[in-house]
Amino acid sequence: DTGVSQDPRHKITKRGQNVTFRCDPISEHNRLYWYRQTLGQGPEFLTYFQNEAQLEKSRLLSDRFSAERPKGSFSTLEIQRTEQGDSAMYLCASSLARDTSYEQYFGPGTRLTVT
Amino acid sequence: DQQVKQNSPSLSVQEGRISILNCDYTNSMFDYFLWYKKYPAEGPTFLISISSIKDKNEDGRFTVFLNKSAKHLSLHIVPSQPGDSAVYFCAATSQTGGTSYGKLTFGQGTILTVHP
Repeated sequence: DTGVSQDPRHKITKRGQNVTFRCDPISEHNRLYWYRQTLGQGPEFLTYFQNEAQLEKSRLLSDRFSAERPKGSFSTLEIQRTEQGDSAMYLCASSLARDTSYEQYFGPGTRLTVT
Repeated sequence: DQQVKQNSPSLSVQEGRISILNCDYTNSMFDYFLWYKKYPAEGPTFLISISSIKDKNEDGRFTVFLNKSAKHLSLHIVPSQPGDSAVYFCAATSQTGGTSYGKLTFGQGTILTVHP
């Protein structure tokens, strides 16, 4: 069990550019979540996958954001036409669907800075 | 609309003493609660959880208490150690409903500093 990994760890981009982040969950986990965290706040839910199906998107996720999990394993989060307000830590988490437990295991995050 | 609130931005305690971190929630649908610890430049790490069918759950030095009528939970760390210094997040979710997928709603976090 190697834990949840995210790539890159840091990304600096200019306003208007597109960026893509990758998340590799714990291998047997069928649920995958993306959260966004800004300074002084807790993580905020963005979207959720069960296997390859995207089951919910937060209203925080504008049309410029898209997420995929093509084979039910790794996931990508793309932000098009980045804005300065997109600067945040993007966290990925995974979990195994069980009736008695709702623990999610987080990766180290990708810190995005939009200049 | 902050459904999970941690009203104390920071807490400072002496090594060996008890740390008590508090969390309040407003959404009556929440019935499963978790505490996470976060060090700088790392993702949150799961600590302990509690279901609404219980009022206490203990794991080593960590105990979580749930008061459903007050919509309040707390995390007790005894004894506190300098390595416990981190940001602590309270999180809540609902197990009921058609899509009980465990989406977490987090509080703002409390910075705990344990002095040697």
